[in-house]
Amino acid sequence: SQTIHQWPATLVQPVGSPLSLECTVEGTSNPNLYWYRQAAGRGLQLLFYSVGIGQISSEVPQNLSASRPQDRQFILSSKKLLLSDSGFYLCAWSWQGWSGELFFGEGSRLTVL
Amino acid sequence: QKEVEQNSGPLSVPEGAIASLNCTYSDRGSQSFFWYRQYSGKSPELIMFIYSNGDKEDGRFTAQLNKASQYVSLLIRDSQPSDSATYLCAVNNNAGNMLTFGGGTRLMVKP
Repeated sequence: SQTIHQWPATLVQPVGSPLSLECTVEGTSNPNLYWYRQAAGRGLQLLFYSVGIGQISSEVPQNLSASRPQDRQFILSSKKLLLSDSGFYLCAWSWQGWSGELFFGEGSRLTVL
Repeated sequence: QKEVEQNSGPLSVPEGAIASLNCTYSDRGSQSFFWYRQYSGKSPELIMFIYSNGDKEDGRFTAQLNKASQYVSLLIRDSQPSDSATYLCAVNNNAGNMLTFGGGTRLMVKP
């Protein structure tokens, strides 16, 4: 069976500090991978998605970046966090064939102070 | 800009009643529609999808789609307190392997 792991689960960071969130998928190969952000009481905003190693598409301009160094690893980074980066970050994967179903990780709650 | 709109709620219904959740979308090219449930502090999970106009039933859940009106809804029959969650509507326009999510409707089922 397939599993997705995301960490850290919770972090509190000062403004201007760097960020690294990591996500790995097990039990499948060549998945589509996604990073979403959810602000408090809001819906999901797609940040990045990837259909393969080294292939990253960005949906919104921001101070965040993503990388996919391995087939089942997806990393979200920032060099300098802003207050507005606070939120609930969700990594997700889907089958390459795209059924429309996203399988989400447990989420990472980021608070920037 | 492609948008998916939902009433944020909360929608409060008594246990055993029918809960009706609504969603509208702006992109007429949208082809597939999804309902995700998200418990507080947790990640979303898929509960229903619908591609064709009309109704689709799965247990206590019924998804309804009207492409002419750009409207999709989710009915929950015999609502239970365990159904209390935020329900997210999501749309795919087949331009890529992506979903656009609405802001979600918070449902509260009172015993």
